[in-house]
Amino acid sequence: DARVTQTPRHKVTEMGQEVTMRCQPILGHNTVFWYRQTMMQGLELLAYFRNRAPLDDSGMPKDRFSAEMPDATLATLKIQPSEPRDSAVYFCASGSGTGEDTQYFGPGTRLTVL
Amino acid sequence: AQKITQTQPGMFVQEKEAVTLDCTYDTSDPSYGLFWYKQPSSGEMIFLIYQGSYDQQNATEGRYSLNFQKARKSANLVISASQLGDSAMYFCAMTGRFGNEKLTFGTGTRLTIIP
Repeated sequence: DARVTQTPRHKVTEMGQEVTMRCQPILGHNTVFWYRQTMMQGLELLAYFRNRAPLDDSGMPKDRFSAEMPDATLATLKIQPSEPRDSAVYFCASGSGTGEDTQYFGPGTRLTVL
Repeated sequence: AQKITQTQPGMFVQEKEAVTLDCTYDTSDPSYGLFWYKQPSSGEMIFLIYQGSYDQQNATEGRYSLNFQKARKSANLVISASQLGDSAMYFCAMTGRFGNEKLTFGTGTRLTIIP
């Protein structure tokens, strides 16, 4: 049963601390997306990769957020330093990059910054 | 730019009845994909159904069907014979042409099935 996995599922941290979220896309998928969900903004794209290369990170605050794909099986999203306004659910999704482009979501990381 | 509009913040439907969730979209891309996702209270995002802009027939997946009306730019989700487990948030979303695959989401509709 192929699934996107994300760790941690929950994270509580204090303002100013570094937060790293990890995602393992479905094996064979070559596009990876990071989305953020908040009550105020809804679901919004932060960044996405194809074949490990960043294609669009326009939704990401560049001064504190960074996204990477060290290899095809791991994507990371890092926040440094974290702020209370970063509290949200962060979803990773992956797709096969075919014409259908269906994106399958991981379970999300619920981040709370105190 | 792409835009998805879901005008029903919440809906209440009797169990076993059919329900239609509305979705309209706007895009300048000549080809695009339309999606529906379900988000139950547990929080995960579950893919339900996909419709390509050039598909001639409406997509169906079990009890889900997508009523695609291209000229009206609408992509309504129809759930037949609703069940208590269908209670959730439902998001309509779209992607653009190849190279613009990010999902743009609507604000969602909270569906509650009444026993």
